[in-house]
Amino acid sequence: AQKITQTQPGMFVQEKEAVTLDCTYDTSDPSYGLFWYKQPSSGEMIFLIYQGSYDQQNATEGRYSLNFQKARKSANLVISASQLGDSAMYFCAMGSNYQLIWGAGTKLIIKP
Amino acid sequence: SAVISQKPSRDICQRGTSLTIQCQVDSQVTMMFWYRQQPGQSLTLIATANQGSEATYESGFVIDKFPISRPNLTFSTLTVSNMSPEDSSIYLCSVDGQGGPRGSYEQYFGPGTRLTVT
Repeated sequence: AQKITQTQPGMFVQEKEAVTLDCTYDTSDPSYGLFWYKQPSSGEMIFLIYQGSYDQQNATEGRYSLNFQKARKSANLVISASQLGDSAMYFCAMGSNYQLIWGAGTKLIIKP
Repeated sequence: SAVISQKPSRDICQRGTSLTIQCQVDSQVTMMFWYRQQPGQSLTLIATANQGSEATYESGFVIDKFPISRPNLTFSTLTVSNMSPEDSSIYLCSVDGQGGPRGSYEQYFGPGTRLTVT
């Protein structure tokens, strides 16, 4: 069965520090996509970054990078130089054949 | 990517009443999805709505409680019927990412409807 696991329910990080949010996945499909979304208190889901299962290089989008380790089935999100506006819920999700499987989320709080 | 709007953005409703949430997309899409996100929880898929066919409901969700319409390729509604406080959630509409860079893997999300049932 397909599954996404986020083991960090909450994290506190000092402003300007880097932060890594963990995500592991389980699937038998050879083709899939891994996503990270940010959900601020307003409730909207904001797409951050994507990694395809066949992509050779780790994805980067500005301050966001995805540490993709296929053999270990992990897709950790790295946020460099954290900002107060990064405080939000972060969800890891796996897409395959029109389905998105969601992790439980990590609540990230950036301290000034 | 598709631009999606939802109405209402939020509402406070009395128990026993029903609320219909609208989802409008700026382009034609094949599949539309409805999610529920209870407070402090992750997203749970309620159903998938394809135009011209009955919605497909996930385990634990029934049509009598969450009737869905999909009259055309750009619009869908979700009704939350006979509401109780346990229905207090964010309800999110999404559409498939066909035609986008990540194809069938991706979904584009609306801004959500925050429902509180008293």
